[in-house]
Amino acid sequence: DTGVSQDPRHKITKRGQNVTFRCDPISEHNRLYWYRQTLGQGPEFLTYFQNEAQLEKSRLLSDRFSAERPKGSFSTLEIQRTEQGDSAMYLCASSFRDWNEQFFGPGTRLTVL
Amino acid sequence: AQRVTQPEKLLSVFKGAPVELKCNYSYSGSPELFWYVQYSRQRLQLLLRHISRESIKGFTADLNKGETSFHLKKPFAQEEDSAMYYCALSSNEKLTFGTGTRLTIIP
Repeated sequence: DTGVSQDPRHKITKRGQNVTFRCDPISEHNRLYWYRQTLGQGPEFLTYFQNEAQLEKSRLLSDRFSAERPKGSFSTLEIQRTEQGDSAMYLCASSFRDWNEQFFGPGTRLTVL
Repeated sequence: AQRVTQPEKLLSVFKGAPVELKCNYSYSGSPELFWYVQYSRQRLQLLLRHISRESIKGFTADLNKGETSFHLKKPFAQEEDSAMYYCALSSNEKLTFGTGTRLTIIP
């Protein structure tokens, strides 16, 4: 499968714990995006990278959230001290720089108890 | 700030009937608009984008700047069209999505 992959697909954690998600983009894509989707809503932009540089962060991304793309390939999204309001589907997408079509991964569903 | 509105959360249409999913946007610049679709148990995927002016799976969408709309249309619905549809606007390299419309095709 040469599409965007995400790991894990599901994560259940207790409030206050830290969690980390991984995204592997399509190999030639230099842009990588993170979105969050809650029930009944469309995906909401969190942050994006061009190669290893994080170029924009949404105000939705509080200080407890951090994202990295250390070698310009895979990316990780970490949430520290999780809260019940963090429960959502976390989507990753990738694209070529000069072509706006974003290809989405299957998502990681986070449940915070 | 940009905004995308999809006024219908749910839409049911009989097989063979025409389909129209509404999308309105607000954006100060020149918009680039997309329709994404999510079939049951599948990932979100691009259906069409306004600049390509293609017809994909029989669907078309015309950008109307006067009415700030980008409605998705298909003349004859098929059962396999049942899915969740999201309208999205691209600005500054990121997508702003509407809340989506769940389309159900009644056999």
